[in-house]
Amino acid sequence: KAGVTQTPRYLIKTRGQQVTLSCSPISGHRSVSWYQQTPGQGLQFLFEYFSETQRNKGNFPGRFSGRQFSNSRSEMNVSTLELGDSALYLCASSPGQSPDTQYFGPGTRLTVL
Amino acid sequence: QQQVKQSPQSLIVQKGGISIINCAYENTAFDYFPWYQQFPGKGPALLIAIRPDVSEKKEGRFTISFNKSAKQFSLHIMDSQPGDSATYFCAAARMDSSYKLIFGSGTRLLVRP
Repeated sequence: KAGVTQTPRYLIKTRGQQVTLSCSPISGHRSVSWYQQTPGQGLQFLFEYFSETQRNKGNFPGRFSGRQFSNSRSEMNVSTLELGDSALYLCASSPGQSPDTQYFGPGTRLTVL
Repeated sequence: QQQVKQSPQSLIVQKGGISIINCAYENTAFDYFPWYQQFPGKGPALLIAIRPDVSEKKEGRFTISFNKSAKQFSLHIMDSQPGDSATYFCAAARMDSSYKLIFGSGTRLLVRP
């Protein structure tokens, strides 16, 4: 099976812009989670989607949002970008059972100038 | 109460030695404790996971030890190899929401030949 795919791999934006990141989960996986990884804060949970519904959300401002499509692909959006949003954004997919093994993609490296 | 504290921040071990990484948690609702390995440019990959009903789990050269009363768990890498050089993250979650991983801050391991 192909792994988790994230596009684009690298992105450069300026403050105030918005960005959309895409994640294609492993075939058959219904749960997609998003994490932000930074040197200062480490890996932090953003939100999780299962069957197009957001089940849980981390402690991030409303500028961070996401959605999941009927084919389980997911997108996350960050509006009004700030310098502090520069990070590696990781997507993880899992079958949707408990406990689930999270399979991470390679991430999208976002740089905000 | 959501924190997972990980130590050491970095570790240098000679080839063939034992690498030990420690983690502590506070939230007693956590009942799923995975360890992830991350190489540069890659997303984290699950190494091994444990639930609190066992005190130790071994998979190959990797062993998790779990102390429920102390709320601590550790990863032991036996016969460490240069190929094990990576960043290791402990994590904790509730099994009914195992997609919401609370990660430790990471340990950068270097195994010298």
